[in-house]
Formats: sequence, C-alpha cells, structure tokens
Amino acid sequence: AQSVTQLDSQVPVFEEAPVELRCNYSSSVSVYLFWYVQYPNQGLQLLLKYLSGSTLVESINGFEAEFNKSQTSFHLRKPSVHISDTAEYFCAVSESNYQLIWGAGTKLIIKP
Amino acid sequence: DAGITQSPRHKVTETGTPVTLRCHQTENHRYMYWYRQDPGHGLRLIHYSYGVKDTDKGEVSDGYSVSRSKTEDFLLTLESATSSQTSVYFCAIMDQISYEQYFGPGTRLTVT
Repeated sequence: AQSVTQLDSQVPVFEEAPVELRCNYSSSVSVYLFWYVQYPNQGLQLLLKYLSGSTLVESINGFEAEFNKSQTSFHLRKPSVHISDTAEYFCAVSESNYQLIWGAGTKLIIKP
Repeated sequence: DAGITQSPRHKVTETGTPVTLRCHQTENHRYMYWYRQDPGHGLRLIHYSYGVKDTDKGEVSDGYSVSRSKTEDFLLTLESATSSQTSVYFCAIMDQISYEQYFGPGTRLTVT
C-alpha cells in the first residue's frame, strides 16, 4: 500500500450512539487490512482483521469493519458505543511483504 | 500475548548521549520491528529485522541503528540522541501466518 488515510483525527460521540471511523488506502495489489486499538497509556492490540473471505469482519466487543475493494476502504463501525471504547484506533494495511502501512490514528471520544 | 518485553520502560537522557533500547521476545518469531509513535503521526517504522543479522531501514531510520545477534533480541540504538527523538518507541513481532503484529509495552524516551 502506498498510503493509509484516516480522515478524522478525533471523533466525539455520545455514549450509546453509533460510530464510524473511516479508513481509506491506496494500493494496486491485494491487501490485508487491520484495525488496532490503543487504550490510554497502553500498547497497541489487534481489534480485527481482513485477510480473505467475507468482507464483513467482527470483533468480540461489538465492532465490525467492511472491506470495500472498489472504494479501497475498511471503515470501522459500532452500533452503540460505551465509555470503555475511549481509545485511539489505527488502521493498517499489508501488501504481504511483512510490513504494515499505518494510518495516523483516530481518537474516539465518548461523551456521557 | 506474544511474550514481548521492552527495556527500559522509561528513560530520560541528555542531547548527544548514546541510548540503546532492548526488545526481547520468547516465541522465536522471525520478523521484528521498531516503531516510534508521535501525536498526529501514528506509527512510523524505524527499522525492521527478518532474521538474525538481517535488518533493513524503515521510513524514519536516520539517527538510528539496530542489531540482531540472536533471534530473541532486537536492539535499537540512538548513537547521539537529539530532542527530536523524544518519543514513545514500540517493538513488535509479526506472525508470519496471520500477518498480525504484536506489540511490546513501549519505551517512553525523553531527550533533554
């Protein structure tokens, strides 16, 4: 992938409201796609990934992301956010060369 | 948990001094990475390794060197630290089957 764009540096949303964090990438080859989450003062951990198969992937805590090849996007969604979802979310793309290209991150801010 | 540790976890040093950060893994992964994380930039790759004594530069390698004399250890050296190298440094390994990267807890480095 040449680049990964996360258009929103911050997304404020009220608790229990839906949220979408956007991720677009540029690449001319097949890619693997990842979302990582970083909770305050912690390291990064994998949230979900797309390698092949169904274009809709889900995490264990209610997030989902859909791979859209025509739009080169991998947006992250959750129908109802909780205060514990406060974190920074990073989109990353691999062209199978054992390197990840990272977006700049989106901070999800949950308002009570 | 991929058994990744980093040392030290925090360090304050003066401009011009050499600094070495250590990453240790317990699961014999071939690929290891050093990133720096700065606000607004996401993760940027400094160097990576694809085997003992096999390393290559990332996008922000100037001012950094690495060494990997054993599978389990990947060292990052700042030969002469500068204030622009104040950052949080993360080590990661990659699972070659899933392409997932697993991160260490990070080292917060302050160069005064």
